[in-house]
Amino acid sequence: DTGVSQDPRHKITKRGQNVTFRCDPISEHNRLYWYRQTLGQGPEFLTYFQNEAQLEKSRLLSDRFSAERPKGSFSTLEIQRTEQGDSAMYLCASINPGQNYEQYFGPGTRLTVT
Amino acid sequence: AQSVTQLDSQVPVFEEAPVELRCNYSSSVSVYLFWYVQYPNQGLQLLLKYLSGSTLVKGINGFEAEFNKSQTSFHLRKPSVHISDTAEYFCAVSDRLNTGKLIFGQGTTLQVKP
Repeated sequence: DTGVSQDPRHKITKRGQNVTFRCDPISEHNRLYWYRQTLGQGPEFLTYFQNEAQLEKSRLLSDRFSAERPKGSFSTLEIQRTEQGDSAMYLCASINPGQNYEQYFGPGTRLTVT
Repeated sequence: AQSVTQLDSQVPVFEEAPVELRCNYSSSVSVYLFWYVQYPNQGLQLLLKYLSGSTLVKGINGFEAEFNKSQTSFHLRKPSVHISDTAEYFCAVSDRLNTGKLIFGQGTTLQVKP
């Protein structure tokens, strides 16, 4: 059990560019969650997957955001045409619902849009 | 829908003093309650959780919290803090309707002074 990993840890991009983040959950965890955390705020829920199915999306997830979990293992979060307001820490978490809903978080990807 | 209010944005305290970080929640359904800690530039680590049963919950690093249903509160306490406890603390709830997503408060910065 190596924990939840995220790649990259830091990303600096220019406004208008596309970016993609990857999350590798704990291997036996079938649920995966994405959150966004802006400076000085608590994390906000974006979306979650049960295996490969995306079951819920927050209204925070605009049309420029898309998330996938094609084989029910790793997940990607893509932001198209980035805006300065997208600058934030993007956190991934995974759970095994049989383990009392304890979410295990990755270290996050910090995105800076210049 | 659920919401979480952390009543103090910053709590300064001297080393070896007791501390309480306050959390109130609002929900129309039964919830699970969590406290997470976040050190600079890191992901979130679970301190403790309340799922059911005893309202006094003990967690890691000497922290404990008490669930008070009538006051819809879940305050975090530690009898004697250390410099190493300096971090951001987040209270969170998740509904019991099987989504598992977390709704976070805005966070409390605990600053332990020597």
